[in-house]
Amino acid sequence: DVKVTQSSRYLVKRTGEKVFLECVQDMDHENMFWYRQDPGLGLRLIYFSYDVKMKEKGDIPEGYSVSREKKERFSLILESASTNQTSMYLCASSPPLSNQPQHFGDGTRLSIL
Amino acid sequence: GEDVEQSLFLSVREGDSSVINCTYTDSSSTYLYWYKQEPGAGLQLLTYIFSNMDMKQDQRLTVLLNKKDKHLSLRIADTQTGDSAIYFCAESPGTGANNLFFGTGTRLTVIP
Repeated sequence: DVKVTQSSRYLVKRTGEKVFLECVQDMDHENMFWYRQDPGLGLRLIYFSYDVKMKEKGDIPEGYSVSREKKERFSLILESASTNQTSMYLCASSPPLSNQPQHFGDGTRLSIL
Repeated sequence: GEDVEQSLFLSVREGDSSVINCTYTDSSSTYLYWYKQEPGAGLQLLTYIFSNMDMKQDQRLTVLLNKKDKHLSLRIADTQTGDSAIYFCAESPGTGANNLFFGTGTRLTVIP
């Protein structure tokens, strides 16, 4: 079974802090994704990556950056956290072929105070 | 961008059938997916259907696709309390990117 592991289930940070959310997958997937989930809005794509050191902006990249130094790890970075970034963050991975389903981690619920 | 819509809430009695509906706008969608999210967890892939099919059945789950109307539904037979969750519809566009576009999710509540 595909295992996507997010480093923290719950995280509380302060406004202005630099925040790192980590995601690791064990299936050698090329594609990795970061979403945020907010009530009534579903999942919105922040960034994705097709390969090591490659990244593409999703629908809502403002205020975020990402890092993919190794194939199995995809990090989401909040450069200067703000209260409107309080949300559930979900990481996913998938094989390189188009239309392959994405496999999700359990999510990180991030609160910015 | 692509637009995927679902109603936000659905309540059914235990033992009844549940039908969760989804509409999408991208006529070039190739695959359509149903994911389930239990409280405090990530999304679990339930089933998916290729756009040249109109029905797929998997145990208690039946997926119906009306490509002309861009309408997808998920029917859960004999709904159980363990089926209470949020159900997301997602579509994969026909372009080479492997992005998925998600609906808002439907919160299914099963009443004992």
